[in-house]
Amino acid sequence: DAKTTQPPSMDCAEGRAANLPCNHSTISGNEYVYWYRQIHSQGPQYIIHGLKNNETNEMASLIITEDRKSSTLILPHATLRDTAVYYCIVHSGNTGKLIFGQGTTLQVKP
Amino acid sequence: DAGITQSPRHKVTETGTPVTLRCHQTENHRYMYWYRQDPGHGLRLIHYSYGVKDTDKGEVSDGYSVSRSKTEDFLLTLESATSSQTSVYFCAIAKQASGNPDTQYFGPGTRLTVL
Repeated sequence: DAKTTQPPSMDCAEGRAANLPCNHSTISGNEYVYWYRQIHSQGPQYIIHGLKNNETNEMASLIITEDRKSSTLILPHATLRDTAVYYCIVHSGNTGKLIFGQGTTLQVKP
Repeated sequence: DAGITQSPRHKVTETGTPVTLRCHQTENHRYMYWYRQDPGHGLRLIHYSYGVKDTDKGEVSDGYSVSRSKTEDFLLTLESATSSQTSVYFCAIAKQASGNPDTQYFGPGTRLTVL
């Protein structure tokens, strides 16, 4: 599975959009981009995933570049409860194994 | 939330003692996973199972064994606990892994301290 690169930390003002970038330049054609987050010491929580097209659900939007080498997770109106570590993962599904990197610590400030 | 429970939620044990952690699911999902999480390392896969009695190793499997005799239960055993196995352990489940990969859902975690 391809590796991902994320900034170690980001800040966002409450109520504003949080845009979390992820680079996955070695992604291959059958690999999906997954986003999870982990709040404090809880288990990781699934947010969204995509292959080629942009995706949106009730939690977030995922924008994948046309060459698929990078993506951005967008939380449209960040709240204090969105403060967490966000993981971008490239997942082929061949083994089902998720490879977690260090993620981005998002701090939402009042 | 996916029906995943882990037991115990907290455990303190001594070096050299055997420890078994249990993951229980009510979703009837085929795939189950054990991860550990340590500061500076993120989550790392220990073992996983793709069906009853079908298991395989992850990236940090040394010192751990697993068993899956029923769809709903996946047990992680530390035969002789060491201080390096002090960690938070997460279980995850998924319907399928190949083809269009299915989402993994995580349990609440077990905090294990080995003195």
